[in-house]
Amino acid sequence: DGGITQSPKYLFRKEGQNVTLSCEQNLNHDAMYWYRQDPGQGLRLIYYSQIVNDFQKGDIAEGYSVSREKKESFPLTVTSAQKNPTAFYLCASGHRGAETEAFFGQGTRLTVV
Amino acid sequence: SQQGEEDPQALSIQEGENATMNCSYKTSINNLQWYRQNSGRGLVHLILIRSNEREKHSGRLRVTLDTSKKSSSLLITASRAADTASYFCATVPLTQGGSEKLVFGKGTKLTVNP
Repeated sequence: DGGITQSPKYLFRKEGQNVTLSCEQNLNHDAMYWYRQDPGQGLRLIYYSQIVNDFQKGDIAEGYSVSREKKESFPLTVTSAQKNPTAFYLCASGHRGAETEAFFGQGTRLTVV
Repeated sequence: SQQGEEDPQALSIQEGENATMNCSYKTSINNLQWYRQNSGRGLVHLILIRSNEREKHSGRLRVTLDTSKKSSSLLITASRAADTASYFCATVPLTQGGSEKLVFGKGTKLTVNP
């Protein structure tokens, strides 16, 4: 089946640890995005990538890092520098071009314990 | 920064009634999109309206766009309990660099009571 897959669905992290969230798509999309969603809030853009080996910071990139070594994959690392990492993380992908819709994964809920 | 602001933040209606949600945004846009999110899930694309369009329909959905007021509205007619979800507007801002980032608002939480 074609789609975008995030794993794991739930993730627990101890303070001071880095953790990597996985996002894989088999839709042949060039563009991929990471968003953070806090309770009752909208989606805030962390990083986005429009092509392999290139990515740009979004509005809240501090404390996060990404890589885009393959078209299908756009992993997000939440580093220990992120002061308040507990949130719902959403990955999306889409074709290049402004008039494209975004396809979302089912999200990863990260909790710091 | 979030580009869009939805209004109201929450809306509760009875099944069969119409639901109207509004979105205001700050900068010039290429297009505006509406998405739906069921609780704890990813978002699903509903409809896209271009900056040179004023109205668009898709099934029970009607979207309007007023670029002079930088606002859009989403109307769901004859609502059903299954329409219960959060609805977000998203814009693709016009930029010189041609960035294609999609910027979301805070959403309207719709509850349709059976």
